[in-house]
Amino acid sequence: EVQLVETGGGLIQPGGSLRLSCAASGFTVSSNYMSWVRQAPGKGLEWVSVIYSGGSTYYADSVKGRFTISRDNSKNTLYLQMNSLRAEDTAVYYCARVTYYYDSSGYYPNYFDYWGQGTLVTVSS
Amino acid sequence: SYVLTQPPSVSVAPGKTARITCGGNNIGSKSVHWYQQKPGQAPVLVIYYDSDRPSGIPERFSGSNSGNTATLTISRVEAGDEADYYCQVWDSSSDHRGVFGGGTKLTVL
Repeated sequence: EVQLVETGGGLIQPGGSLRLSCAASGFTVSSNYMSWVRQAPGKGLEWVSVIYSGGSTYYADSVKGRFTISRDNSKNTLYLQMNSLRAEDTAVYYCARVTYYYDSSGYYPNYFDYWGQGTLVTVSS
Repeated sequence: SYVLTQPPSVSVAPGKTARITCGGNNIGSKSVHWYQQKPGQAPVLVIYYDSDRPSGIPERFSGSNSGNTATLTISRVEAGDEADYYCQVWDSSSDHRGVFGGGTKLTVL
């Protein structure tokens, strides 16, 4: 059974750093595309970042240069290192597995088939 | 960057049909996916590849995509369908970004 469990959220002051973890079971993180999606209180879903199985990483403009997505293959765990946090980063952060497809141009991400339960990050003084 | 536009809210009586639209420039050329999110819960995939249903999703949920509009259709709406619904595409043409619509609150009257 596929499971994703996020940890690491909490209250942090503006300008601070936090690392979120997403422990996966039932599949291998390194063989899949993995993503972080966040949801500010009362707002919609916002894509944050993705890491491809080959290691390429991509970010939303709102977090580029401040957040880093990574994985630990030995722990089958996905991470999101968040630096220079701002009040507008306050949200529930979900990790999700991303399916992908292949065409003549290469591999491309598709939809999010499994989601964790989310972890709340609150940035406030 | 690519933008998806959804109506903020849709209301429907039980037993009727709800249609939730998702607008985007030439969205018909992309694969559109839909998620249902109930309060306090993580999103759940209800439609992928425009019109395919994951196992466990009722046949009442269907999707279509053409031109500049994708549509999620829920037939014979039940009280348990009340939730937020989000459309999603992947904008691989520009820096490989995931894109979500703003979400639509479905209210069952």
